[in-house]
Amino acid sequence: EVQLLESGGGLVQPGGSLRLSCAASGFTFSSCAMSWIRQAPGKGLEWVSAISGTGGSTYYADSVKGRFTISRDNSKNTLYLQMNSLRAEDTAVYYCAKPQGGFLVWLGGYFDYWGQGTLVTVSS
Amino acid sequence: EIVLTQSPATLSLSPGERATLSCRASQSVSSYLAWYQQKPGQAPRLLIYDTSNRATGIPARFSGSGSGTDFTLTISSLEPEDFAVYYCQQRSNWLPTFGQGTKLEIK
Repeated sequence: EVQLLESGGGLVQPGGSLRLSCAASGFTFSSCAMSWIRQAPGKGLEWVSAISGTGGSTYYADSVKGRFTISRDNSKNTLYLQMNSLRAEDTAVYYCAKPQGGFLVWLGGYFDYWGQGTLVTVSS
Repeated sequence: EIVLTQSPATLSLSPGERATLSCRASQSVSSYLAWYQQKPGQAPRLLIYDTSNRATGIPARFSGSGSGTDFTLTISSLEPEDFAVYYCQQRSNWLPTFGQGTKLEIK
């Protein structure tokens, strides 16, 4: 059974940093591109970032480019999102999501497995 | 960036009725469109992918149609558990985007 478990969310001041983690199990993590998607309170879904299975290729939404860094540790089956220079508009639930099909490369796919999400609140 | 516009924003229906939700893309996404269902406090669940293919375990009352820029999600006969928010998503390029959602509420 595929499981994705996010952690690391919390309250942070504007300009601060936070690192999210997503522990994956139930599939061959190193063979799958992975993604982060966020949802501001009461709002819709926004794709944030993706990474290839090897970690060699990364992709970002314009809204986070230059501030967020996606990475992975395949030896630990864990996905990360380092978030720097946080702004109030980054406040959201952040979901770790596995693209359907489990491709090594990022193809911009659909998401058939999601974690439960971790809440990031940026406020003074 | 491809913008997806969903309509209506809110749809009020009764159990047993037919629901029709729309998603329009700012440019053609071919057949690369999916639908998700989200209930309060839960992660989204993939319902339909590539316009008309039901995801694993999704009941037959959910169906999708369309192509290019105009897509429809139909729920043939609403069950109580179907009242939720529905999102469309395109994957025609490396930058996936979502619609703003349609809330399906009980009338």
